Amino acid sequence: QVQLQESGPRLVKPSQTLSLTCTVSGGSITSGGNYWSWIRQRPGKGLEWIGYIYYTGRTDYNPSLKSRILISVDTSKNQFSLNLNSVTAADTAVYYCARSRMSTVTTVPYYFEYWGQGTQVTVSS
Amino acid sequence: EIVLTQSPLSLPVTPGEPASISCRSSQSLLVESNGYNYLDWYLQKPGQSPQLLIFLGSNRASGVPDRFSGSGSGTDFTLNISRVEAEDVGVFYCMQALQTLTFGGGTKLEI
Repeated sequence: QVQLQESGPRLVKPSQTLSLTCTVSGGSITSGGNYWSWIRQRPGKGLEWIGYIYYTGRTDYNPSLKSRILISVDTSKNQFSLNLNSVTAADTAVYYCARSRMSTVTTVPYYFEYWGQGTQVTVSS
Repeated sequence: EIVLTQSPLSLPVTPGEPASISCRSSQSLLVESNGYNYLDWYLQKPGQSPQLLIFLGSNRASGVPDRFSGSGSGTDFTLNISRVEAEDVGVFYCMQALQTLTFGGGTKLEI
């Protein structure tokens, strides 16, 4: 059974960089056809897709956050990571990592079958 | 950006009774070339991560009880629960996967 676990600082100061890591267990991050995403849920708001990475390093990001995001992968550790820079209070959220499939027609992730438990990150001085 | 509008926002139900949630898209989610509607349904139970219920409009995910079903095409979609159980309490979200992913605002099912 595939499991995902988020880790990283729970408190980040404004203007600094939020860094989270997702550790995948029960399966290889390099298994074909699987795409690895970050999704967040801000207080009182719904779910927001941040971006994905494939094990080859290919990425795609939500245009609304693209200028501030970097998602990377470390296949040797079976991990992928999120860096979100220049954070503000509006970036306070529960951050989830998740595994999906990818449509070859739309080239957009879908079928988020596995999710981490989520980690609360607060941006505050 | 594709906007998904869910209704109702809140859905009080009685165990054993059916329930229905609507998701309306600002653009068609049907890809004519393969006939698929790129819409998923998720349930987020209290204190948990979202869990996949339905993908590509009407396909039940592995392990999902058959009381859950998805229907619709184009811009109008429905999630039906044939007989609600107490364990179904939570917030249901639709998600479109045609363009940059977006989610509906959620429907809270309460017993």
